[in-house]
Amino acid sequence: EVQLVESGGGLVQPGRSLRLSCAGSGFKFDDYGMHWVRQAPGKGLEWVSGISWNGRNIGYADSVKGRFTISRDNAKNSLYLDMNSLRPEDTALYYCAKDIASDRGDFQHWGQGTLVTVSS
Amino acid sequence: DIVLTQSPATLSLSPGERATLSCRASQSVRRDLAWYQQKPGQAPRLLIYDASNRATGIPARFSGSGSGTEFTLIISRLEPEDFAVYYCQQRSYWPRTFGQGTKVEIK
Repeated sequence: EVQLVESGGGLVQPGRSLRLSCAGSGFKFDDYGMHWVRQAPGKGLEWVSGISWNGRNIGYADSVKGRFTISRDNAKNSLYLDMNSLRPEDTALYYCAKDIASDRGDFQHWGQGTLVTVSS
Repeated sequence: DIVLTQSPATLSLSPGERATLSCRASQSVRRDLAWYQQKPGQAPRLLIYDASNRATGIPARFSGSGSGTEFTLIISRLEPEDFAVYYCQQRSYWPRTFGQGTKVEIK
């Protein structure tokens, strides 16, 4: 069974940094692209960032470009999101999502999310 | 960025009725479109990929169609568990983008 477990969320002040992690299991992690998708309270889904199976193909939403960095460690079956210069509008539930394939860009499996709250 | 516009925002229907949801793209995304279902307090679930392919375990009452800029998700006969929010999403271009969602509610 595919499992994705996010961690690292919490309350952080504006301008500070946070690192999210996602641990994958039940599938061959290095065969699949991985993504972060967020959902602000009461709002819709927003794709944040994605990375191909080998880490060579990376993309970001305009809203986070230059502030967030996605990475993966295939040896540890883990996905990361380094978030810098956080803003109140970054407050959201952050989901880790597994691609349908190595680098497609649609999301077959999702974690349960980790909540990030940016507030002073 | 590709803008996906979903309509209607809310669909009020009764169990057993047919639901027709639309998604329009600001430019052609070929058939690189997926549909997701999200229930309150739950993560989204993939329903349809490549415009018309049902994901594993998705009932046959869900069907997708379309290409280019116009896409449709049809739920042939609504079951009680189908009342939820539905999102379309394109993978044709970076950044990936979602529509704003259509809420299917019980009438």
